[in-house]
Amino acid sequence: GAGVSQSPSNKVTEKGKDVELRCDPISGHTALYWYRQSLGQGLEFLIYFQGNSAPDKSGLPSDRFSAERTGGSVSTLTIQRTQQEDSAVYLCASSLHGTGAGANVLTFGAGSRLTVL
Amino acid sequence: AQSVTQLDSQVPVFEEAPVELRCNYSSSVSVYLFWYVQYPNQGLQLLLKYLSGSTLVKGINGFEAEFNKSQTSFHLRKPSVHISDTAEYFCAGGSNYKLTFGKGTLLTVNP
Repeated sequence: GAGVSQSPSNKVTEKGKDVELRCDPISGHTALYWYRQSLGQGLEFLIYFQGNSAPDKSGLPSDRFSAERTGGSVSTLTIQRTQQEDSAVYLCASSLHGTGAGANVLTFGAGSRLTVL
Repeated sequence: AQSVTQLDSQVPVFEEAPVELRCNYSSSVSVYLFWYVQYPNQGLQLLLKYLSGSTLVKGINGFEAEFNKSQTSFHLRKPSVHISDTAEYFCAGGSNYKLTFGKGTLLTVNP
């Protein structure tokens, strides 16, 4: 696609429920990233996928968070048993290159705003 | 620890005035430096980047930034701002694929 697409754009859920957030990166981009943007906290790295390599999951805040990327394209971020502190905007980004300087030239999606009641 | 510090959380300016948004980084996070802009209800867009070479980099919409290694700074500047520049600006740095972002500076341009 022309840009990075994320869905849903807004999600309101009750504490304890599971949620899935979807990201469709730019076609041909080899690397995909998830970041979390909390109010007044900037962006927090969550996870990084590059080709067929093992993902870097070092930013996932707890084992309730997981992500997968199928076929080197679409990615899903899953949050189980959501808590109120999970409320944030979840941003997906992709880059043409997965390593070197080009790995940092990210194109972001508009984000999925998650509100946990 | 890697860190990127944006020294001002909010910067109000009048239209056509110059502006500087300040960013300092820890030496461990330097190598590649970026400024991203986020307009209301939109995703982040790349404004400009420093990868190597000339320390003065120019970006979109008339913005520029200067990489200063001795002061570990990467301040963003524009000589004359427009109302449409109202947005949140994020400084970021990284050495490979993992970017460290500052907390953002909200630039508000008033008529």
